[in-house]
Amino acid sequence: TQLLEQSPQFLSIQEGENLTVYCNSSSVFSSLQWYRQEPGEGPVLLVTVVTGGEVKKLKRLTFQFGDARKDSSLHITAAQPGDTGLYLCAGPDSGTYKYIFGTGTRLKVLA
Amino acid sequence: DAGVIQSPRHEVTEMGQEVTLRCKPISGHDYLFWYRQTMMRGLELLIYFNNNVPIDDSGMPEDRFSAKMPNASFSTLKIQPSEPRDSAVYFCASSFIGFNTEAFFGQGTRLTVV
Repeated sequence: TQLLEQSPQFLSIQEGENLTVYCNSSSVFSSLQWYRQEPGEGPVLLVTVVTGGEVKKLKRLTFQFGDARKDSSLHITAAQPGDTGLYLCAGPDSGTYKYIFGTGTRLKVLA
Repeated sequence: DAGVIQSPRHEVTEMGQEVTLRCKPISGHDYLFWYRQTMMRGLELLIYFNNNVPIDDSGMPEDRFSAKMPNASFSTLKIQPSEPRDSAVYFCASSFIGFNTEAFFGQGTRLTVV
């Protein structure tokens, strides 16, 4: 089974700051997804990246898929308290429909 | 559509008791997944179904866990007998067939075994 490691594990920042979280693997993934999970809720999909080197933007969030398709990053510009939550990356295990999730980054944005 | 519906939202049970968690996927979705989330181990896939057939149950921790999907609109995850280490949040998710499709998660069942 392929593994996805996320860093940092925890992040607490002030409103307005920028941040980047990382999702890394030693294996190649055909695609990676990013989810956000709020307390008491299930994860909700933010984006899917498919092509090596791909960059996708969702308002203040920028997602990048590594050229070798082994890693991905999520950059948030001018973070807001509403960005608070657990960010998870996920990818299909070895060409199956079995999606594995990363270890997660727990973000807290202080007003 | 109301989304993926799980019940109960919270369950507290005594060690040794049988626990049954329920899930109603989004209508028309081909895949159904059961996940378990803990602080220590994160979000782990337990089992998934395609068109009501179990495809991969390698994540099921032991024989005390079983899952069924008798029809396209209902699935259960059963733990018998339950143990304190089974305490976690259990999520059900469903999706359409195909890679890169979105998995829609329910709100989860928080299980506490005392």
